[in-house]
Amino acid sequence: DAKTTQPPSTDCAEGRAANLPCNHSTISGNEYVYWYRQIHSQGPQYIIHGLKNNETNEMASLIITEDRKSSTLILPHATLRDTAVYYCIVRSNSGYALNFGKGTSLLVTP
Amino acid sequence: DVKVTQSSRYLVKRTGEKVFLECVQDMDHENMFWYRQDPGLGLRLIYFSYDVKMKEKGDIPEGYSVSREKKERFSLILESASTNQTSMYLCASSLPATGADEQYFGPGTRLTVT
Repeated sequence: DAKTTQPPSTDCAEGRAANLPCNHSTISGNEYVYWYRQIHSQGPQYIIHGLKNNETNEMASLIITEDRKSSTLILPHATLRDTAVYYCIVRSNSGYALNFGKGTSLLVTP
Repeated sequence: DVKVTQSSRYLVKRTGEKVFLECVQDMDHENMFWYRQDPGLGLRLIYFSYDVKMKEKGDIPEGYSVSREKKERFSLILESASTNQTSMYLCASSLPATGADEQYFGPGTRLTVT
């Protein structure tokens, strides 16, 4: 599975959009981009995934560049409860396990 | 909703003890995983299982074993606990990866070995 690079931390004001970038320049054609988050003292929680097209669900939007070498997770209206560590993971559909890196720590401030 | 439960949220054991961590999922998932999480190291895969009685080593299997006798239950065993196994242990489950899949995690067990 391709390696990902994320900034270690970022912050965002409550009510504003939180943008979390991820670099995956060695991604191959059959690899998906996944995003998970982990709120303090809880297990990780699935957010969204995509292959080529941009995706949106009730939690977030995922924007994948045309060359697929990077992506951005967008939380459109961040709340204090969105404070968490966000993990960007790239894996193929033939793999079983997720390779969690160190993620980005998002702090949403009042 | 998928539910993954772990037998304990907090556990304190002595060095040399045999420790069992239990995980149960209620969604008939084939795949189950054990991770450990340590500050600065992120999540690391210990073992996973893609079927009953099947297991595969992850990145850090040393000092651990697993058991999957029933589909819904995946146990992590520390044969002789050591202080370097003090950690947060997370269990997860998923359907087979025929395309993209989501892993569902339990709340974690914080194990302290003294």
